[in-house]
Order: sequence, then structure tokens, then C-alpha cells
Amino acid sequence: QKEVEQNSGPLSVPEGAIASLNCTYSDRGSQSFFWYRQYSGKSPELIMFIYSNGDKEDGRFTAQLNKASQYVSLLIRDSQPSDSATYLCAVNNGNNRLAFGKGNQVVVIP
Amino acid sequence: SAVISQKPSRDICQRGTSLTIQCQVDSQVTMMFWYRQQPGQSLTLIATANQGSEATYESGFVIDKFPISRPNLTFSTLTVSNMSPEDSSIYLCSVRRGGSGAHNEQFFGPGTRLTVL
Repeated sequence: QKEVEQNSGPLSVPEGAIASLNCTYSDRGSQSFFWYRQYSGKSPELIMFIYSNGDKEDGRFTAQLNKASQYVSLLIRDSQPSDSATYLCAVNNGNNRLAFGKGNQVVVIP
Repeated sequence: SAVISQKPSRDICQRGTSLTIQCQVDSQVTMMFWYRQQPGQSLTLIATANQGSEATYESGFVIDKFPISRPNLTFSTLTVSNMSPEDSSIYLCSVRRGGSGAHNEQFFGPGTRLTVL
């Protein structure tokens, strides 16, 4: 089992809709969780992190964490064409290591 | 967050040669990391660059292939040695945000796109 899994294929959403991305992780001892946005040809950019169960909101982004079920999700409200990118889930497994999922491509259709 | 720069931004190299990639940060940081992102793939941690001591390598990566230097708290280099086409990848350095309340948030440099012929 991979450390961090993002299984959904490319996600197409109409402009203004909600994009929902999910991520599961295998290490129950994982302590903090991150969402990065990566535009084509660019390096990853940190957009959200969460370390407590529940929701964390920042502007149009909401991260949700459920440690019992070992999943973390990202919601993008009022999706904009500028949100079109690949979103990478990362998990801190201790010793400052970050393990990354393969990413989900989001395409926002005007 | 810190401003991170990498040199070169891209390079095309011949098989069997070596390339050294530099990572410069505009402020002192405790922890620096080197990642690889192969075409169409996610990021894989190569090693943690430790200031004043040998780097800590992840499984599958060895010092002879990827020697790393960290002479001070703002600079690190990664060398890709004896390159083969399989080393074609984007190489990224990252830094960990320090201070109280930090949860290992990491910020990435712009990356070095390496093509090995």
C-alpha cells in the first residue's frame, strides 16, 4: 500500500462550482497534512495545511481531516479558471519527511 | 516564506557526466531537502541536507550517485553523478518553515529541469 494515495482521475468542474479532492494515507502516526498546487511547468506551492481533526478554511479553500479514517480532503469553492492545476497531497510521517501523493489534475471550465 | 532560488533552471547533459545544482535561500533555515519529480510523477524525497554533517538519504538514493553539500544555513548543492537518461527529471530543493508552531510546512524552489541524452 502506498503511503499517500490520490486515486481520482482528472477532475473537470464548471466555473463557480465546488471541486472536491480526496487523499488517504497509510501511516496512522502521521501528524500533519498539506495540500500543494502545482501549475504546469512550475514548482509546488503550499496552499493549505491541517493537523487537527475537522475543517480548516482559508478563503475559497477548505481542508478536512479525519484521522480515524485516515483521509484528508480539499474543497475549492467558487472554482475559477486560475484554479486549473495539479493538486498534491502530502503527509508528514515524522522526521520532517513529507510523502506525496501522485496528484489530481483539476480543470475548471469557463 | 523564504525566497528560494536554484541554478541552473534547466540543463541538457550527456550520459556519464555530472551536474551540480545549487539552492540558495534568502534567510537562514534549519532544514533543507532535495526532491526529484520524474515526468508525470509526484515528488520523491532524495535526502535531507544537514548543515555541518552528511546528508540523510532516503531508501533507494545513495551518496555516490547524489552527493549533497550544505556548507551553511542558506545554501546547498546536489550533484547528479554519472548521469543516465533515467536521471532526466526535475530536481527541487525545499526548506522547512521554522519557529514555534511549525508543522513541517515546506516551501519549494523553482526547480531544475534536467535532460540527459
